[in-house]
Amino acid sequence: DGGITQSPKYLFRKEGQNVTLSCEQNLNHDAMYWYRQDPGQGLRLIYYSQIVNDFQKGDIAEGYSVSREKKESFPLTVTSAQKNPTAFYLCASNRAANEKLFFGSGTQLSVL
Amino acid sequence: AQSVTQLDSHVSVSEGTPVLLRCNYSSSYSPSLFWYVQHPNKGLQLLLKYTSAATLVKGINGFEAEFKKSETSFHLTKPSAHMSDAAEYFCVVSDISNDYKLSFGAGTTVTVRA
Repeated sequence: DGGITQSPKYLFRKEGQNVTLSCEQNLNHDAMYWYRQDPGQGLRLIYYSQIVNDFQKGDIAEGYSVSREKKESFPLTVTSAQKNPTAFYLCASNRAANEKLFFGSGTQLSVL
Repeated sequence: AQSVTQLDSHVSVSEGTPVLLRCNYSSSYSPSLFWYVQHPNKGLQLLLKYTSAATLVKGINGFEAEFKKSETSFHLTKPSAHMSDAAEYFCVVSDISNDYKLSFGAGTTVTVRA
């Protein structure tokens, strides 16, 4: 079955530590996205990539980094510069802009 | 830039009664509008989408939404709520001004009473 796989489901970060969230899709989608979900704030766009080896900052990119070396993969690194990383992170993809988004099941990141 | 406001953070209904989730949008261009649903501990699922065709859009699970340009609204309705409708619902807008990137509302939590 085609879909988006995010791992791990739960992740804990120590102070000063970088952590990487995985996102893999087998839908052959060109575009991939990372959203952060906080209670009462909806989803906010962190980074997006419309094609391999290219990505752009979203609305809240500070403290995060991404890479897009393969079409199927769009990992998100939460760096130590992100002072409030506790949130639910959702990865998404679509075939092209303005088309239906497919979402992964998310990663809950917490700070120890 | 486009934006969306969900007017109710929480809606509680009895099973079998109608559901109304209100959404107002702001867009300087012809917007595309979406409703997504998120069940607990799951990703988001598209309920329905409006893209300048019929103003009354029918979605999955008996939901529908009506695009009203004069009121800048895109309210989501269902005639009869089911227990499985308990979830978080997001109204979403996109337009060409932001390369069609999606702007999400803050969400409406729906609880269904037996």
